[in-house]
Amino acid sequence: AQSVTQLDSQVPVFEEAPVELRCNYSSSVSVYLFWYVQYPNQGLQLLLKYLSGSTLVKGINGFEAEFNKSQTSFHLRKPSVHISDTAEYFCAVTDILTGGGNKLTFGTGTQLKVEL
Amino acid sequence: EPEVTQTPSHQVTQMGQEVILRCVPISNHLYFYWYRQILGQKVEFLVSFYNNEISEKSEIFDDQFSVERPDGSNFTLKIRSTKLEDSAMYFCASSVSGSYNSPLHFGNGTRLTVT
Repeated sequence: AQSVTQLDSQVPVFEEAPVELRCNYSSSVSVYLFWYVQYPNQGLQLLLKYLSGSTLVKGINGFEAEFNKSQTSFHLRKPSVHISDTAEYFCAVTDILTGGGNKLTFGTGTQLKVEL
Repeated sequence: EPEVTQTPSHQVTQMGQEVILRCVPISNHLYFYWYRQILGQKVEFLVSFYNNEISEKSEIFDDQFSVERPDGSNFTLKIRSTKLEDSAMYFCASSVSGSYNSPLHFGNGTRLTVT
């Protein structure tokens, strides 16, 4: 079965500093990868996704992620965070061969806290 | 921008009681989903629904769970006899199609507390 590991449950960072949120997945087959963000009291919102092509994908709000097949990672990065980026971030994966459409396997989430 | 809406935002129920969680998906979406997140754990897939029938379900989605689209707008999740371990945040989602290119739109969730 597919699994996703987000090692950091919380990441504190100062405003305008860079940040990287780590995500590793377990799979020996092709996958599609996603990052979702959950702002306080809101639902999950798609940040970006990797389906194929360039391994560096850009998403909304200045975030980007790099798919690294050899390391089975899909880390999320932003060069300069803003206070409004404070939220919970979820990495998710779907197995192309066995996953149906939008049946996603999520990680446990990383709480990003941006401080002044 | 259209949203998926879920009601109520918080539901408290006693063990053994039936509970119905309600969702209004985005109007032109055809695929509907329920996910849940037990506190401190992963967001887990429960079920997907298309064309008035379940298209896929997880092992969590046992006989105690059912889904229904009773009219053209609502999508409900029913738990027949709640257990303590059903306490979780339940997210409804919808998408235009079942393709990977069709992103999920999630509601804000219903926090279910079983006492």
